[in-house]
Parts: sequence; C-alpha cells; structure tokens
Amino acid sequence: DVKVTQSSRYLVKRTGEKVFLECVQDMDHENMFWYRQDPGLGLRLIYFSYDVKMKEKGDIPEGYSVSREKKERFSLILESASTNQTSMYLCASSFSVGLSGTDTQYFGPGTRLTVL
Amino acid sequence: LAKTTQPISMDSYEGQEVNITCSHNNIATNDYITWYQQFPSQGPRFIIQGYKTKVTNEVASLFIPADRKSSTLSLPRVSLSDTAVYYCLVVRNAGNNRKLIWGLGTSLAVNP
Repeated sequence: DVKVTQSSRYLVKRTGEKVFLECVQDMDHENMFWYRQDPGLGLRLIYFSYDVKMKEKGDIPEGYSVSREKKERFSLILESASTNQTSMYLCASSFSVGLSGTDTQYFGPGTRLTVL
Repeated sequence: LAKTTQPISMDSYEGQEVNITCSHNNIATNDYITWYQQFPSQGPRFIIQGYKTKVTNEVASLFIPADRKSSTLSLPRVSLSDTAVYYCLVVRNAGNNRKLIWGLGTSLAVNP
C-alpha cells in the first residue's frame, strides 16, 4: 500500500526559529511536493522536486526552502518562522518525473504548524 | 490567467446524486483534469481523472464536454461518508509553462 509519512502531526514553534518538516515516501516516486493549506485558499504549492537535488518553485516559495538528498525524503525548511506561516502543511509524491497530467499524487496526513 | 473555479459548498441528502462542476476556461490541449477528495485531518486522495468525454470508476463519474472548458464530477447515491471537500486539478506541463492549477475546493455536506 502506498504510504507518505510526515514527521509530525502537530508542531508548535516560536517566531524566528528554524523549522524542519520531513516527508518520506516508500513508493520509489520521482516527484515530491510541499503544499500549504489555509481556509478559503485551498492547496497552494510551495515547492516540488522531480529528482534528487532538483527542485522547482511553486506558487508561494517565499520564506521557504527545500532539500532532497535522497529519493524518498523531501524536507521543507522555514529559515526563520513567522506567525503568517501558521498553517497546515501537506506533502505529496507521484510517480512521473516532472508534472504529468496523468499522474496521481499521494498525500501524507499533514502537519499542523503553529508559530507563536 | 489559468484558473479553475468550483462552488464553495454544496448540500445534499443521502441517496441523491451529486454533481460538482469545475470551470477551467483556459484549459490547454495537453492538460488533464483530476479530482481529489479530502476528509478532515487527512490529505487529499485521488478520485478520478479524465481528458475528454466520460470516465467512470467504482466511486464516481467524470463528464467533460467537447470544448473541455468545464468538467463535472458525479457522485451516485451519496452517503454520509461522502461528506468531504472535493478539489478539481488541472495539470499543465507545456515546456516552460509547468503548473498545477487547483480549484479552491467544494465542501459537500451530505445530510441524513
């Protein structure tokens, strides 16, 4: 069974802290994605990666960076957390290399991050 | 500007058929349409995908007219467990124009 796991379901951090959100997939997928989800704004893509060490900016990359050193693991980094980064963060993976219309994304359960 | 638009919310009753329409006026030739379902405290999960005409699986049907400027997700005989948020997604992968175009989601409430 397909599985995407995220390191924490809930996380509370303070303004200015460096925050790491980890995502692991066990499906040997090429693509991995990081989204944030806020009420009324739907899913917004932060970054995606189509290969190890490769990344592309999504719609809202400002204030975030990512790291993909191994195929199965994709990390989202908040260099200096701010209160406006309080949100639900969702990780996903998919089979294809790059964006494909016929691809299916598999999502993790999400991390609810609160920045105080 | 590429955009997908869907109703914010819908109400239905158990046993009824529910149709949720997504508008994607600027859809491009190679774009596909995918629908996802999301329950509270979970990530979205794939329901159905299509390019044109009609696609049906064990969960839903997807109707796409010839001009492909909209698509309709059809859920037959809904139950309380179909209460969820439904997202429409258009994937664009055309050279340097690579983009995931998500709708804002339709919150479906199924009542007894």
